[in-house]
Amino acid sequence: SQQGEEDPQALSIQEGENATMNCSYKTSINNLQWYRQNSGRGLVHLILIRSNEREKHSGRLRVTLDTSKKSSSLLITASRAADTASYFCATDALGIQGAQKLVFGQGTRLTINP
Amino acid sequence: DTEVTQTPKHLVMGMTNKKSLKCEQHMGHRAMYWYKQKAKKPPELMFVYSYEKLSINESVPSRFSPECPNSSLLNLHLHALQPEDSALYLCASSQFVVGFTNEKLFFGSGTQLSVL
Repeated sequence: SQQGEEDPQALSIQEGENATMNCSYKTSINNLQWYRQNSGRGLVHLILIRSNEREKHSGRLRVTLDTSKKSSSLLITASRAADTASYFCATDALGIQGAQKLVFGQGTRLTINP
Repeated sequence: DTEVTQTPKHLVMGMTNKKSLKCEQHMGHRAMYWYKQKAKKPPELMFVYSYEKLSINESVPSRFSPECPNSSLLNLHLHALQPEDSALYLCASSQFVVGFTNEKLFFGSGTQLSVL
């Protein structure tokens, strides 16, 4: 099944710096979503970008989507210690019974150092 | 109320035990999901319920048995599990099932399951 590949797998930066993580996927999509997961907790939806959109902003988050390259990037500006988490992209894909499902990429573990 | 509540938060069970995981949401969502997540891996879809009917079973072993008693509740019944089933089990909901509209998922905090 389709699954996003994220790059880098791990990223460690200083507080106040910007963090960029990338997601690539294999087949055409309707939309792409980004989620955050704090250690051992559930995922929290951050942002959804439709296939006909190229860029979207939400607070300190900026997401871009390039459907020709089948890739997306998530930029977190002015990072804070509270941004330390794993970040997953998610795309729609067909399940075994032909129904749509949401499939998550491998994730990027982001560490913000004070 | 935008919460998905999962109980218990932690569960330790033997391979011969029978236990159940519970999930509840009061957002009026009509789609509910079970995901399994191993350490440092992404969540993997197990089951999807749409309007209280099972719409996706991702070839999950029969020792996992889902149940959706009503639109607010989702259970996962566990029986004769194996140590490799130890993982974080996440419940999620969305207004409608993914695929019809640009749905986003609301996740619970998960049940950390250990099978001895």
